Amino acid sequence: GQQLNQSPQSMFIQEGEDVSMNCTSSSIFNTWLWYKQDPGEGPVLLIALYKAGELTSNGRLTAQFGITRKDSFLNISASIPSDVGIYFCAGLYSGAGSYQLTFGKGTKLSVIP
Amino acid sequence: GAVVSQHPSRVICKSGTSVKIECRSLDFQATTMFWYRQFPKQSLMLMATSNEGSKATYEQGVEKDKFLINHASLTLSTLTVTSAHPEDSSFYICSASTRAGTEILADTQYFGPGTRLTVL
Repeated sequence: GQQLNQSPQSMFIQEGEDVSMNCTSSSIFNTWLWYKQDPGEGPVLLIALYKAGELTSNGRLTAQFGITRKDSFLNISASIPSDVGIYFCAGLYSGAGSYQLTFGKGTKLSVIP
Repeated sequence: GAVVSQHPSRVICKSGTSVKIECRSLDFQATTMFWYRQFPKQSLMLMATSNEGSKATYEQGVEKDKFLINHASLTLSTLTVTSAHPEDSSFYICSASTRAGTEILADTQYFGPGTRLTVL
């Protein structure tokens, strides 16, 4: 099956710093997605990217869909304590009657006030 | 925004018993519902996809006789873990979409808050 390599696995940063995380895959995806999951909760969609090369922002978050369609990154600028959580990338492949959403293993973000 | 609820949020059961988890779309009709499981510090793994009124499609390696899925209405899907064992302990998350098949887009899939199952 398809696999996503997400890095880093965890990060400890100072409040106010910028953060960057990325995902790579050996397979092509139609859509790249970034989710945030708080402990004991389901994931919440942050950004969805639908076209290769697309760069999309959502507040302090910026994500890009790699031009090869095999990678994506997420940047968080000026981090704040409530950014703490686990961030997951996910690649979506849909076509020829199939639909498959594959998640990365997550990046655990800790923000030191 | 669209809200998906799960019940119960936590359940502890004895080995050998069956546990039912409900997933409801509260303010929209869910054509398709998905069930995921997540082990501690791991990613979400898709277990099965269900469409209202039809049999669920299970991912490879997921036992359909052990994880019974019923999508009886456009707002409710249930996952029953039969004869649960300690290795079934996990975080089970459902998601729901208003669309079906290849029309499902990322922003039409809404996740529930999850159910923590602990089997003693």
